[in-house]
Amino acid sequence: EDQVTQSPEALRLQEGESSSLNCSYTVSGLRGLFWYRQDPGKGPEFLFTLYSAGEEKEKERLKATLTKKESFLHITAPKPEDSATYLCAVGQGGSEKLVFGKGTKLTVNP
Amino acid sequence: EAEVAQSPRYKITEKSQAVAFWCDPISGHATLYWYRQILGQGPELLVQFQDESVVDDSQLPKDRFSAERLKGVDSTLKIQPAELGDSAMYLCASSLTGYGSPLHFGNGTRLTVT
Repeated sequence: EDQVTQSPEALRLQEGESSSLNCSYTVSGLRGLFWYRQDPGKGPEFLFTLYSAGEEKEKERLKATLTKKESFLHITAPKPEDSATYLCAVGQGGSEKLVFGKGTKLTVNP
Repeated sequence: EAEVAQSPRYKITEKSQAVAFWCDPISGHATLYWYRQILGQGPELLVQFQDESVVDDSQLPKDRFSAERLKGVDSTLKIQPAELGDSAMYLCASSLTGYGSPLHFGNGTRLTVT
């Protein structure tokens, strides 16, 4: 069965304290790995798509990387406004739908 | 930037009542999705449309849920009768056709069944 597992479930950082979130997946025929940010009471906001192992993408303090089994979302010198739940999702062969992990709730304290 | 519109934002209903949610996708997006998100969980697909046709409704509880996208643009998701376990956020998303295209989500409808 296709699965997406995110860790940790929750992460507390001090402002400026860099860290990484993990997304491991088992899916047949990966057609993209997606990272989303979700603020409380809102829909997920698209951040990145990664398509092949070795690919990296950056946006402000965020950098996403992909291997054949997992993806990392690196957060460099985070700020309180980076506090949110970060969701990972995979697109699988033969389907356009995305399968989501449960997310990592990030809290950045000032 | 174009957005996916959903209404209402919040809905409180009693169990056994009927409830409906509406979604207007980004213009030009042929694929439309309804996801359900329980608090603390990731979104789970209920139904996927390609234009006006259902592509995947394997996870839709068809005894009580129905969805339509009559003209291939906006869509309605209905629950009848609502049950306590249906309390969740109902998210609509749209995408350009094609594998690997990102989904763009609306801000959802928060349903509370009492």
